Amino acid sequence: EVQVLESGGGLVQPGGSLRLSCVASGFTFSIHAMNWVRQAPGKGLEWVSAMSGSDDSTYYADSVKGRFTISRDNSKNTLYLQMNSLRAEDTALYYCTKDRYSSSWGQGTMVTVSS
Amino acid sequence: QSALTQPASVSGSPGQSITISCTGTSSDVGGYNYVSWYQQHPGKAPKVMIYDVSDRASGVSNRFSGSKSGNTASLTISGLQAEDEADYYCCSYTDTSILYVFGTGTKVTVL
Repeated sequence: EVQVLESGGGLVQPGGSLRLSCVASGFTFSIHAMNWVRQAPGKGLEWVSAMSGSDDSTYYADSVKGRFTISRDNSKNTLYLQMNSLRAEDTALYYCTKDRYSSSWGQGTMVTVSS
Repeated sequence: QSALTQPASVSGSPGQSITISCTGTSSDVGGYNYVSWYQQHPGKAPKVMIYDVSDRASGVSNRFSGSKSGNTASLTISGLQAEDEADYYCCSYTDTSILYVFGTGTKVTVL
């Protein structure tokens, strides 16, 4: 069974940093593109970042470019999202998804940016 | 890059068919056959229903179908059931500075 499990969320002050992790199982992690998608409380979905499974190309939404970094460790079947210079508007539930069309989703990890 | 435009709400009676539209531009919906649709029940993670405009995801009922005309993609739910009441989001690949863009979301109500 395909599963992705996010962790690493929490409460952080504006300007702070946080690293999210997503552990994958049930599929060959190294060959699949992976994404981070977020949803602010009561709001819609926003694509945040993606990393290809073939050449490790990375992509970012304009709203996080220069502040967030996506990476993966194929030996650990784990996807990461390093988030720096966090802002109040980054407060959201962050989902890890599999494939270019997000065929599988985790339950998300909540990030709250507040003083 | 602005979000794709969806109607805020769509409703229908059990057994009826409804269609949700998703309007973009030639840089996203109109230019590529990479539109997907997601269903999200309250408090739950989204679930892919349709990908690549019209391909149904594994295990998804054939009551759900997708199509595209020009810069507008559509999700049709036929034989509407109470369990279809949820939020629905479209998503498209885009050749702008980012990679993907989601729609604004549509709340489907079964009357």
